Amino acid sequence: DAGVTQSPTHLIKTRGQHVTLRCSPISGHKSVSWYQQVLGQGPQFIFQYYEKEERGRGNFPDRFSARQFPNYSSELNVNALLLGDSALYLCASSLGRDTGELFFGEGSRLTVL
Amino acid sequence: GESVGLHLPTLSVQEGDNSIINCAYSNSASDYFIWYKQESGKGPQFIIDIRSNMDKRQGQRVTVLLNKTVKHLSLQIAATQPGDSAVYFCAENPGGGYNKLIFGAGTRLAVHP
Repeated sequence: DAGVTQSPTHLIKTRGQHVTLRCSPISGHKSVSWYQQVLGQGPQFIFQYYEKEERGRGNFPDRFSARQFPNYSSELNVNALLLGDSALYLCASSLGRDTGELFFGEGSRLTVL
Repeated sequence: GESVGLHLPTLSVQEGDNSIINCAYSNSASDYFIWYKQESGKGPQFIIDIRSNMDKRQGQRVTVLLNKTVKHLSLQIAATQPGDSAVYFCAENPGGGYNKLIFGAGTRLAVHP
């Protein structure tokens, strides 16, 4: 069975640019969450989408946005990139809206120069 | 693969010994706690969870203990194996109807033959 897939796996951008990260959840999972993991730290919650609606938002600026499509895949967009946005961006899917059992992808490593 | 948690506290154990990884959580209102394992270059993987109406829960070779009085969580791994080497994160779900997880800083477990 396919797990959570994310693309691209690695990318390099410069300050001020925009980036779009993509995630395909496990088949049947309707919830997708996005986390940012800075090197040496635990993942930090950015967004949760369930049934195509935003259900939760973490403490991130409005430069961060996301959406979920009818097939439950999701995109995370970050505008006006800053050096501090360099991190591993993790997508996780789950069956339910309120569960701690998340299935994470391997992440998209973003480097901002 | 990429290194997760370059400057994390490290627990070193001998293969076959039992391991105990500790975690302090912050939010008294949190009622659901989860342990995740993250190997280098991979996303976090769910290990075990526990709700606040329990103080102990066992899985395969793992046990989670919850002490709500002092807001402390621990993960015990029996007969630790080289494949258990990873960074371990505790996470709390403060509730609210969605699966926003607050991750701790992580502990690296190094298993020596």
